[in-house]
Amino acid sequence: ETGVTQSPTHLIKTRGQQVTLRCSSQSGHNTVSWYQQALGQGPQFIFQYYREEENGRGNFPPRFSGLQFPNYSSELNVNALELDDSALYLCASTGGLIGLYGYTFGSGTRLTVV
Amino acid sequence: AQSVTQPDIHITVSEGASLELRCNYSYGATPYLFWYVQSPGQGLQLLLKYFSGDTLVQGIKGFEAEFKRSQSSFNLRKPSVHWSDAAEYFCAVGLIIQGAQKLVFGQGTRLTINP
Repeated sequence: ETGVTQSPTHLIKTRGQQVTLRCSSQSGHNTVSWYQQALGQGPQFIFQYYREEENGRGNFPPRFSGLQFPNYSSELNVNALELDDSALYLCASTGGLIGLYGYTFGSGTRLTVV
Repeated sequence: AQSVTQPDIHITVSEGASLELRCNYSYGATPYLFWYVQSPGQGLQLLLKYFSGDTLVQGIKGFEAEFKRSQSSFNLRKPSVHWSDAAEYFCAVGLIIQGAQKLVFGQGTRLTINP
């Protein structure tokens, strides 16, 4: 079975621009979560998608938005990029609404905002 | 507010020595507890998890963790470390809020192994 794949691996954006990050969930997983990991910190929950609906959100502003597609892949969109958005963005998938069996994480997208 | 504390930012141990990484959580009920490991440039890999039952849980790569309700702790242990264990370790609490589960992570403990 394939794991969670994220693209791109790295990218550099200018402040004020918009970015889209992509995630393919592990086969059989229908729940996707996104996390932001700033340098030297633990990951922070952005939001979760289950069956194409957002069903949980962390303390992130509305310029952070997402989508989940019928094949359970997902996108994270960030508008009006700020310097503090520079971080590793991790996607995680699990089967079912509650990850009782743990979450499978991708290797992340390193976003640098200049 | 729910939180996870990993008191040790950086630990150095010699190869073959025993290891204990500390984790304390602040949460009213018995939480779902996880330990993840992150190698440089990589995502997070699940080492082990605790939901209920036996308070000593076994994980992958020879790791184990013990849940102690009275101390609100979930410390990770390994009897003999290998150089390949050098990585960042994260303790996390799984919280269910409004039907969604989110993981609340500690800030991590960086483990260095001396040869």
